[in-house]
Amino acid sequence: EPEVTQTPSHQVTQMGQEVILRCVPISNHLYFYWYRQILGQKVEFLVSFYNNEISEKSEIFDDQFSVERPDGSNFTLKIRSTKLEDSAMYFCASSEAGLDSYNEQFFGPGTRLTVL
Amino acid sequence: SQKIEQNSEALNIQEGKTATLTCNYTNYSPAYLQWYRQDPGRGPVFLLLIRENEKEKRKERLKVTFDTTLKQSLFHITASQPADSATYLCATDSGNTPLVFGKGTRLSVIA
Repeated sequence: EPEVTQTPSHQVTQMGQEVILRCVPISNHLYFYWYRQILGQKVEFLVSFYNNEISEKSEIFDDQFSVERPDGSNFTLKIRSTKLEDSAMYFCASSEAGLDSYNEQFFGPGTRLTVL
Repeated sequence: SQKIEQNSEALNIQEGKTATLTCNYTNYSPAYLQWYRQDPGRGPVFLLLIRENEKEKRKERLKVTFDTTLKQSLFHITASQPADSATYLCATDSGNTPLVFGKGTRLSVIA
């Protein structure tokens, strides 16, 4: 069964450093998302991406964040200068069609980011 | 903006019983509600979606209802098993951002 994969599973970084989280969405999916989950809290939407551009973003997704689809398979989230409060699980998700079409989203296993 | 509330943080039930989890939304009636399962340290896994014009949806031992009068969705697991132990998340659209999740209800099925 096709699945979303994410690397690395755990990333430890120093405050102020840049990190890149990587995702490989399901191959025939067109919509890609990043979410985060701070320990013990809700899953929160960060950004959605379609047709090589951001389609929506939340207020969490400020200038420190960026996303890219550098080739036909990878989808990355970059945090330019990490802060302690960026420590969280980051989930990539993909869907075949947009949310207006009521399609389910398939989530990856997540990357645990720890900022020291 | 839309808010999703899952008022029970945790629910313990005996194996074989029916588990019922509640999801309430606070503002406008959403076009749909989705239910996901999340195991510790893992990503959410989609279970069921119910549209606002559907009263009930079933999938194997799972059943979801949608009551626009009460602004509520109920999620039922019949004949529950220890393997059903997980956190169950309710989610919907908020009108100006994609999926908004509730905090989840942690279900423990005791053998």
